[in-house]
Amino acid sequence: QKEVEQDPGPLSVPEGAIVSLNCTYSNSAFQYFMWYRQYSRKGPELLMYTYSSGNKEDGRFTAQVDKSSKYISLFIRDSQPSDSATYLCAPQRSGNTPLVFGKGTRLSVIA
Amino acid sequence: ETGVTQSPTHLIKTRGQQVTLRCSSQSGHNTVSWYQQALGQGPQFIFQYYREEENGRGNFPPRFSGLQFPNYSSELNVNALELDDSALYLCASSLPSPVGNEQFFGPGTRLTVL
Repeated sequence: QKEVEQDPGPLSVPEGAIVSLNCTYSNSAFQYFMWYRQYSRKGPELLMYTYSSGNKEDGRFTAQVDKSSKYISLFIRDSQPSDSATYLCAPQRSGNTPLVFGKGTRLSVIA
Repeated sequence: ETGVTQSPTHLIKTRGQQVTLRCSSQSGHNTVSWYQQALGQGPQFIFQYYREEENGRGNFPPRFSGLQFPNYSSELNVNALELDDSALYLCASSLPSPVGNEQFFGPGTRLTVL
């Protein structure tokens, strides 16, 4: 079993839709949870960073962590064509430890 | 504030050759991590450098080696290239922290091994 599982998609939604992106993980030592966005042929860009269980909101983006079920979610409200990218979840055990990435979910938002 | 930069952007090598990839950290960041991202996969951790010392290594063979310089820039060296080494190589810089730390990625170097 991989440490981080993520449905690779592709996921295609109409503009304005609410998007739900999810990851599961197996290592209960993970405490910090990152979401990165990666446009084609570019490096990953940090979107959200949360600690332990709970929600964090930033504009149209909400990150949710449920440590009891080892489930990570990213919600995008009012999705835009510019949100079309690959979204990578990346939990981390503690500071200075490696990020452990999922495969990424490719999202297309159709105008 | 200058972001993470990497060079070259693209590189084509043949099997058995050696390659050096370079990374300049974001201003003030003294920790650099290198990741390999194969096509259609998430990045995989290669190793991390902090204050010029290797500070953790992933499941990569010794022919993957690195250096960090006093100005915190870094190099990734790969010897005896194999076809499977074809990938996007990413470096990420960060500040050391006992709690989770945000890692900021460069644009990557795309390596093709023929």
